[in-house]
Amino acid sequence: EAQVTQNPRYLITVTGKKLTVTCSQNMNHEYMSWYRQDPGLGLRQIYYSMNVEVTDKGDVPEGYKVSRKEKRNFPLILESPSPNQTSLYFCASSTRQGANYGYTFGSGTRLTVV
Amino acid sequence: GESVGLHLPTLSVQEGDNSIINCAYSNSASDYFIWYKQESGKGPQFIIDIRSNMDKRQGQRVTVLLNKTVKHLSLQIAATQPGDSAVYFCAAHQGGKLIFGQGTELSVKP
Repeated sequence: EAQVTQNPRYLITVTGKKLTVTCSQNMNHEYMSWYRQDPGLGLRQIYYSMNVEVTDKGDVPEGYKVSRKEKRNFPLILESPSPNQTSLYFCASSTRQGANYGYTFGSGTRLTVV
Repeated sequence: GESVGLHLPTLSVQEGDNSIINCAYSNSASDYFIWYKQESGKGPQFIIDIRSNMDKRQGQRVTVLLNKTVKHLSLQIAATQPGDSAVYFCAAHQGGKLIFGQGTELSVKP
């Protein structure tokens, strides 16, 4: 089944403790992206990657890092999480070929930083 | 830049009625638009898309209308069912990015 898989689904952590949220897609998509979703603010892009070893900042990159060493994986790293990073996070992927720019989203990771 | 907004944060309809969810965008250079459905506890799911060279596109029970003159698009759901209850987002593509609206929560009354 074609899908984007995020882990974990839920995570509670303490301020300052480094964490990684993994994202993997099995569709051979070139493009991957991370979003956070907050009430009243909608989906905001954190980082995106056009292909392996190519990453770029989105609209809200502060406090986050990403890497794209392999085409299928795009982990989101919080080196020193803070309470304002409590949010619902989505990974998405897309092919840049053809006419379809539609994204396939993962099921989300609900992160709470205390 | 681009901004995308939905006209109503919530919409309540009777089962069997048609639903219309509206969205406005700001950048006339946007060339592609998508509607997503997000059910509770899940990620957004693609419903239907439309390119800027079209003004209407139909899917199964859904229709998207695009009015480029007033930079407005709408999602029409025919014969709304309880399973249609969800948050609906529009997104506009421009310059390699998708900009999302905040979402309209659709509730279907039995």
